[in-house]
Amino acid sequence: DTGVSQDPRHKITKRGQNVTFRCDPISEHNRLYWYRQTLGQGPEFLTYFQNEAQLEKSRLLSDRFSAERPKGSFSTLEIQRTEQGDSAMYLCASSWTGLNTEAFFGQGTRLTVV
Amino acid sequence: AQKITQTQPGMFVQEKEAVTLDCTYDTSDPSYGLFWYKQPSSGEMIFLIYQGSYDQQNATEGRYSLNFQKARKSANLVISASQLGDSAMYFCAMRPYTGNQFYFGTGTSLTVIP
Repeated sequence: DTGVSQDPRHKITKRGQNVTFRCDPISEHNRLYWYRQTLGQGPEFLTYFQNEAQLEKSRLLSDRFSAERPKGSFSTLEIQRTEQGDSAMYLCASSWTGLNTEAFFGQGTRLTVV
Repeated sequence: AQKITQTQPGMFVQEKEAVTLDCTYDTSDPSYGLFWYKQPSSGEMIFLIYQGSYDQQNATEGRYSLNFQKARKSANLVISASQLGDSAMYFCAMRPYTGNQFYFGTGTSLTVIP
């Protein structure tokens, strides 16, 4: 297993365009998280899946953001009508179910909105 | 509400010396896990060490140890025998057992000086 992988690693888009990111978690991990990280800050929670069910979304997540995890495997995060404030690193993580299990992170997708 | 506080934006340590990175947390949940992650300039979050709120002994993992003081809500990371490769951002995180997400602090930038 090669760990959590994210694609693309970098994305530059014009304001107003839609973008979609993909995350492939560690196989057999049933928990999947999306986080956003801006410069000088810690990761900020966006949303969480257990298998294919999206169980939690941050109240900070605007309706321009949507995430899916069909069949409980890979996940996609789509941002519609991107804004300059969406520029950030988008991190995906996965973990086993369990009280003391750490999350394994991918290398992230760096989004720049121009 | 959950909150993680890391009060040291930047730290310097001489190679082969030990260094302590501070972390305090606030939660009303009686059960929770505490985690430390390392983030090199490449961007990937690397899990270092875990401490459960009911663990009686401080966690250790190679050169990493966690100084857990539950009454003070403190979970400091100690890195012994620092190496040049330890230069990175370090994030403290907490996950309440009743919740799903990990809460992160703002991080500490560690620089190891030869």
